[in-house]
Amino acid sequence: AQRVTQPEKLLSVFKGAPVELKCNYSYSGSPELFWYVQYSRQRLQLLLRHISRESIKGFTADLNKGETSFHLKKPFAQEEDSAMYYCALNTGGFKTIFGAGTRLFVKA
Amino acid sequence: EAQVTQNPRYLITVTGKKLTVTCSQNMNHEYMSWYRQDPGLGLRQIYYSMNVEVTDKGDVPEGYKVSRKEKRNFPLILESPSPNQTSLYFCASGWDSSYEQYFGPGTRLTVT
Repeated sequence: AQRVTQPEKLLSVFKGAPVELKCNYSYSGSPELFWYVQYSRQRLQLLLRHISRESIKGFTADLNKGETSFHLKKPFAQEEDSAMYYCALNTGGFKTIFGAGTRLFVKA
Repeated sequence: EAQVTQNPRYLITVTGKKLTVTCSQNMNHEYMSWYRQDPGLGLRQIYYSMNVEVTDKGDVPEGYKVSRKEKRNFPLILESPSPNQTSLYFCASGWDSSYEQYFGPGTRLTVT
């Protein structure tokens, strides 16, 4: 079955510490993966796509097909990174599957 | 301003009373989609539309209907709402699902 798993509901780190939000997917085809972020009182918005291989706000994510993972990383967390993060999988045919989300809390 | 709008933002209704949540986008996007967000479950896709008059079911379509008569609008219809449809609903649009989806502000629906 097609599935996106984000094992951590809540992740709490100190400012300046590295952060990694885990995402694992289950899909037999060629995946298209995304990270979306929702800051407090704001709309859900795209953070990055695996196909673009870019770094946004210091975050990067690498697709590991062998481990079926797309973990989101940032070397030095900032307080403004506190938000809800969702990993999403596009399975082709216009369907999108989201993970349950991870709430990141960056402590001062 | 390019955006996705939803109305109403908040709605409390009773079981069985038909309701419609509207969604409109001004970016000329061909793709539109509805999601519901529930605690611990993330966003689950209800229906999506690839273009005018072309719609298909997502993962949780039961109890919902949609229509896409114009490119800019994609209303979500609950013919006979039930309490298990109490949720936060998001509409999104994009060029297609391979690209960025732009989300509306959400509609919080409570069915008593």
